[in-house]
Amino acid sequence: ETGVTQTPRHLVMGMTNKKSLKCEQHLGHNAMYWYKQSAKKPLELMFVYSLEERVENNSVPSRFSPECPNSSHLFLHLHTLQPEDSALYLCASSQDVAGNTGELFFGEGSRLTVL
Amino acid sequence: RKEVEQDPGPFNVPEGATVAFNCTYSNSASQSFFWYRQDCRKEPKLLMSVYSSGNEDGRFTAQLNRASQYISLLIRDSKLSDSATYLCVVSASGGSYIPTFGRGTSLIVHP
Repeated sequence: ETGVTQTPRHLVMGMTNKKSLKCEQHLGHNAMYWYKQSAKKPLELMFVYSLEERVENNSVPSRFSPECPNSSHLFLHLHTLQPEDSALYLCASSQDVAGNTGELFFGEGSRLTVL
Repeated sequence: RKEVEQDPGPFNVPEGATVAFNCTYSNSASQSFFWYRQDCRKEPKLLMSVYSSGNEDGRFTAQLNRASQYISLLIRDSKLSDSATYLCVVSASGGSYIPTFGRGTSLIVHP
């Protein structure tokens, strides 16, 4: 049973749609992350939030818009996506971003297909 | 040069074999090192941290070579259940821990 829950698990959308991915962590962590995982490529860090403040934005196109209303919830709003944005989007949390505690706890991911 | 490089494999080994993976990193300021395991269509999970002195957890041994900027993972007596992708993760020094992932090495253990 994962402490990080992502919904929806699967999403198919057209290029003109607007949708959102949701992540919730039940671990009392202070940091949350969005990663993109495409086939045959490393996990790509997209955004990092620490105590609801964005601390990293890794040159992600503006069609991806994150929102962190509190330390337990993280959203990724999607708008006017491209077919190459089809991927597995993984949410993760960790105790903090400061220091080197190491462990990231991942959700099961939201598999996105853009038609 | 990629920040974290791994041979994607697949490494195809029989049960009981010993297999080793290496991972090289480009940032000499890197301070924290980890191996994660990702099963097919599942999320990554921490397998073990890698300490300067090396560390062992059952059949798994991780080592760090700072001079050559690589970490290794050794799996002894491979089991069928070890089949997975093994991800090398590195984070740089400084105030924030922002981990960088390698693309992973695929291991297939066959009967």
